[in-house]
Amino acid sequence: DTQMTQSPSSLSASVGDRVTITCRASQDIRNYLAWYQQKPGKVPKLLIYTASTLQSGVPSRFSGSGSGTDFTLTISSLQPEDVATYYCQKYNSAPFTFGPGTKVDFK
Amino acid sequence: QVHLVESGGGVVQPGRSLRLSCAASGFTFSSFALHWVRQAPGKGLEWVAVISSDGSNEYYADSVKGRFTISRDNSKNTLFLQTNSLRAEDTAIYYCARVYSSGWSYAFDTWGQGTTVTVSS
Repeated sequence: DTQMTQSPSSLSASVGDRVTITCRASQDIRNYLAWYQQKPGKVPKLLIYTASTLQSGVPSRFSGSGSGTDFTLTISSLQPEDVATYYCQKYNSAPFTFGPGTKVDFK
Repeated sequence: QVHLVESGGGVVQPGRSLRLSCAASGFTFSSFALHWVRQAPGKGLEWVAVISSDGSNEYYADSVKGRFTISRDNSKNTLFLQTNSLRAEDTAIYYCARVYSSGWSYAFDTWGQGTTVTVSS
């Protein structure tokens, strides 16, 4: 099975900072990669699918890139409401594995 | 509006069973594959199982294979997860989730609020 890893596991940043999270698949998953945001005590929310397509209603400060095994989620200017844990997920085939998550908070 | 509502969680002793349900509304239920995802307290998301739109195909995480069964009733717009031989490590919030398009390989655009399963003696 394909394993998903993320780095860093956590990060602290300031309002307005550019934040980058990396996700790596142990095998080629083409662009079958999604990013989810989960705020504390809330349900996960789809941010990006097919590696770089922004879900409707998601602010444009979020962007995704990558293909194959290496992917990136970027927040261009961190906002207070972006405090959350971010998960990548492969969905090319079962099992639909999630990465371990990256917790983003403020310095 | 697309809506998923889970139910059936609770406190159960190790080795016992629970049947979780997920009631759907606001979309053509029979056109979408559906998943169960769980999250143990303070932990990350773990994919559990998927079932195809017509119920003919299903797949499970290794951690639940042989103990859990996913099913659906397209006439009642309801998804199920039968959880047997429960273990302490099955303690989690269980979410149902819908993919964003017809087919198997799509991201999850709609999630329910979750139902909590606690396995404890």
